[in-house]
Order: sequence, then C-alpha cells, then structure tokens
Amino acid sequence: KQEVTQIPAALSVPEGENLVLNCSFTDSAIYNLQWFRQDPGKGLTSLLLIQSSQREQTSGRLNASLDKSSGRSTLYIAASQPGDSATYLCAVVSNTDKLIFGTGTRLQVFP
Amino acid sequence: DAGVTQSPTHLIKTRGQQVTLRCSPKSGHDTVSWYQQALGQGPQFIFQYYEEEERQRGNFPDRFSGHQFPNYSSELNVNALLLGDSALYLCASSRDRDENYGYTFGSGTRLTVV
Repeated sequence: KQEVTQIPAALSVPEGENLVLNCSFTDSAIYNLQWFRQDPGKGLTSLLLIQSSQREQTSGRLNASLDKSSGRSTLYIAASQPGDSATYLCAVVSNTDKLIFGTGTRLQVFP
Repeated sequence: DAGVTQSPTHLIKTRGQQVTLRCSPKSGHDTVSWYQQALGQGPQFIFQYYEEEERQRGNFPDRFSGHQFPNYSSELNVNALLLGDSALYLCASSRDRDENYGYTFGSGTRLTVV
C-alpha cells in the first residue's frame, strides 16, 4: 500500500529565505508526482507535475526534484515571500490512477 | 478556459439528512475523482468516474455514491449524514490514463453536519 509522508509538518521562516520541503513515498512504482498549494479553506492549486521519467521540473521560483529509486521528492522555494504562506501537499499517482496525498507542510513566511 | 467548478461552496446539513454536491470538470477532461479532506489532513480518495461508470473506489461506506453524466460532470451523494462527514469535499478532473497532464482541482465544497 502506497504511503506518502511529508516533512516537516510546519515551517516558519523569514522573508527571503530559500527553503526545501520534503516528500517521501513507499512504493517507487509511480506514474507521476504532483505538488499542490492549498490556502486555508480553499481548493488545491497545482504547482508542478513531474513524470516518472523526469528528475525535476521548474516554474519560476519553484523547483521540484524526483528520485524514484529512493522514493523521495523535494520542493525548493527560492527567495520566499509572505505570499508563499500556505499548505503544500505532494501526491503520487501509481497504477491505480488515483492521487495518494501526504498530510502536507504548513508554511508561514513572515516579513 | 474554465477550470473545475464545484457547487455549492458551503453547505450546512443536519445529521441523518442527505446531500448532493456537484462538479463540472475542466474542458477536455473526461475523468472525475472525488476526495474528502478533514481538517489538518491530506485529501482522501472517495471514488473515480469515467465513461459514466464508477471505475474505482476508496475506503468509504456505501452511503457515499456518485454519478457521472454524458457531459462528464459529476455528482457526489452522501446519505444518512454523520457528524464525521463534516469536511471539505474536493473534485478533481483529469484525462483518462494521461499521466502527462495531472489533476486539476476545484475550490471545494465545505460541508458542515450539525
């Protein structure tokens, strides 16, 4: 059974810091991995999608990497801003064609 | 290009009642999945619909049922509501078996059972 874990559960950093969010999964047989952002009480916004054949994806200040063999992904946020404050969720898709989510990392960036 | 739309945004129901939530997928998507997200938790898979059939189901009781219409829109029905059904219900759409595009989520329906 696929299980997804995210560390840390919460993170509070000053504006301008570079930070790394971690995601691990137990079954390496995945189709892709997707990082989402969720603002309080809102839906999920897709940030990055990494296909199983890829090792990383970049979008603006965000960079996500994928190491299938070790069951790990990281989301790197450069030069963090208060507007980055949200919960970040990673999810994997395996051959069951459904998303399995971690519990998220709650990020607060203070001015 | 409209994304995934869900209605209503908020709903308050009494224990024992029934509720119907609605979802319209993103244009070009044919598969709809429903997720339940309790406070402070990651979303949990309820079920997925494709070609108007339930293709797979998560660990949820039969009180949770759904439907997909020919235009790919979908409904989630919950009968005999329990207090524990209070959660954010998320709808996600995707293209069948196309891992290149990922999932697009709606803004969710906040259900409160009192």
